[in-house]
Amino acid sequence: SYVLTQAPSVSVAPGQTARISCGGNNIGTKSVHWYQKKPGQAPVLVVFDDSDRPSGIPERFSGSNSGDTATLTIRRVEAGDEADYYCQVWDISSDHAGVFGGGTKLTVL
Amino acid sequence: EVQLVESGGGLVKSGGSLRLSCAASGFSFDDYGLNWVRQAPGKGLEWVSSISSNSAYIYYADSVKGRFTISRDNAKNSLYLQMDSLTAEDTAVYYCARDRLDIVVLTGKFDYWGQGTLVTVSS
Repeated sequence: SYVLTQAPSVSVAPGQTARISCGGNNIGTKSVHWYQKKPGQAPVLVVFDDSDRPSGIPERFSGSNSGDTATLTIRRVEAGDEADYYCQVWDISSDHAGVFGGGTKLTVL
Repeated sequence: EVQLVESGGGLVKSGGSLRLSCAASGFSFDDYGLNWVRQAPGKGLEWVSSISSNSAYIYYADSVKGRFTISRDNAKNSLYLQMDSLTAEDTAVYYCARDRLDIVVLTGKFDYWGQGTLVTVSS
């Protein structure tokens, strides 16, 4: 099945820009979705189809996807953004269609 | 308001079975695909299974194929996950999640999630 690779952790100071990467073979040909997961809470979809935002998600959250890397960008990072972030794709070329990356822990310094 | 409420979790012995349920409200249930995603303690999110609105399309993770069965009852606005031959590796919080678009095929993007139900498998 398809594999998505994420760095375990990223740290950023408040007000700065966080970039969280997700690597996969030709991931640029797939639609990538991003989820925010805080302890004890349900995951939240923050970006879908590479760069679209669900209603209610701040414009500070954006995404891009090209080649072998998709990126979630969080501008003007706030303390409340501290969470685990997961990339995900849907690949029906195999029965194992749903694939998540291993997750990246965003720490706000 | 869209709501998804999981139930049925608990403690079970290795080799045992458990059936999870997800009660949905606040949307036209029979128009949306549904999914199960789990998170083991200290681990990341893992997709488990998906079912389309009319049950025509069903997918399973390799790790659960042949042991878990997803189903839905559109008359009862409910999603199920029958879990058999459970092992310690199945210990996790299990989330029910809705597919984002109300179309027949699954899109694989999950816009609403329940709060999860904990399954603990003892060895």
